[in-house]
Amino acid sequence: SAVISQKPSRDICQRGTSLTIQCQVDSQVTMMFWYRQQPGQSLTLIATANQGSEATYESGFVIDKFPISRPNLTFSTLTVSNMSPEDSSIYLCSGQGQGVTDTQYFGPGTRLTVL
Amino acid sequence: GESVGLHLPTLSVQEGDNSIINCAYSNSASDYFIWYKQESGKGPQFIIDIRSNMDKRQGQRVTVLLNKTVKHLSLQIAATQPGDSAVYFCAEPRMDSSYKLIFGSGTRLLVRP
Repeated sequence: SAVISQKPSRDICQRGTSLTIQCQVDSQVTMMFWYRQQPGQSLTLIATANQGSEATYESGFVIDKFPISRPNLTFSTLTVSNMSPEDSSIYLCSGQGQGVTDTQYFGPGTRLTVL
Repeated sequence: GESVGLHLPTLSVQEGDNSIINCAYSNSASDYFIWYKQESGKGPQFIIDIRSNMDKRQGQRVTVLLNKTVKHLSLQIAATQPGDSAVYFCAEPRMDSSYKLIFGSGTRLLVRP
């Protein structure tokens, strides 16, 4: 199994600022993903973090708003740019091994509040 | 399009009773399903999975049943405990083999003491 940590665990930010969330996996994983979860709702995939190349974004999410880095197989960052109160949410990263049916493990999430 | 949905948003059970959480899926070609448990303030935690060549799979106090005829799966928790209180999601990989998961809307399980 993989253990995934995120920093920060929570933050309160001002409108118009940006926040970078870090995701660290304790072992190499093939795939890393970033999700958003509104309170009381399910997970929505933001993007796939690709090692050494640009992330692959889902419909409704763009690189200018959510730039993602993945410099190696165990680390990724998600930046929420030019934040508005609508960006208040929980942001989760996940990692998965080499197979489609390998277990996808999740970090504890970063709870973001934008004022 | 593809979808994975749940019948009940909230389930309240007495401690010690069995819990059954249901999930429906729409794609008859789906061949792999996962159940996750998400406790308050935490990320989803893998519970159990099942492939479409199986009808039933058991874990520790949990059983997943798959009915491919009606495209339905369920998670059964035996002797429900207070620590089982959480939101439960079913999920399945997208059919494009992209590793991406489609999550259901979730069911909140409340265990009454």
